[in-house]
Amino acid sequence: QSVLTQPPSVSAAPGQKVTLSCSGSSSNIGSNYVSWYQQLPGTAPKLLISENNKRPSGIPDRFSGSKSGTSATLGITGLQTGDEADYYCETWDSSLSAAVFGGGTKLTVL
Amino acid sequence: QVQLQESGPGLVKPSETLSLTCTVSGGSIRNYYWSWIRQPPGKGLEWIGYIYYTGSTKYNPSLKSRVTISVDTSKNQFSLRLSSVTAADTAVYYCARGSIGYSDIWGQGTMVTVSS
Repeated sequence: QSVLTQPPSVSAAPGQKVTLSCSGSSSNIGSNYVSWYQQLPGTAPKLLISENNKRPSGIPDRFSGSKSGTSATLGITGLQTGDEADYYCETWDSSLSAAVFGGGTKLTVL
Repeated sequence: QVQLQESGPGLVKPSETLSLTCTVSGGSIRNYYWSWIRQPPGKGLEWIGYIYYTGSTKYNPSLKSRVTISVDTSKNQFSLRLSSVTAADTAVYYCARGSIGYSDIWGQGTMVTVSS
């Protein structure tokens, strides 16, 4: 059972917008930055968002991140079939003194 | 550009020690945090721990008694040792570069199976 809670699956149509949620507590999301990763089948995770809302070079602005209280959200606009992947949130947990991941959300674009 | 490559045995016997090395190319190992993260087949990501280039470490509390991460700045490498392995340690093991709370560059991952 993950410290951070993500919905197991989300689906949306091509071209639409989707939001993926990540819920935690005051000791993790509530007091630390959140990052987001995309994992395509059979590949290593790829950083999409760091420090709540910063996109690394090369990540399109279709991807956005936000945080409010003890929850964080990844937004994806203009959905493409190539966005079908597993998405994970990560943050630092100050009580555990450890990095923690959400259980991941499988995004289906249909 | 910076690239990471994991290396080590793909098969480890139960109760033995899993040892992996991550070689950093295209950049220096200095001034970053270097992590190990694993992913059991069909499951999510689990943070194992990190080492700063100075040698300072942090480990996942659930694995802390069995984990050692070390760094060799002269070889631009860092390593993972996980002792007393069981089938539950079977996973793809990733090494990654980053900071506290995120990893911006990942290795391709290496599958390690624990079996006799």
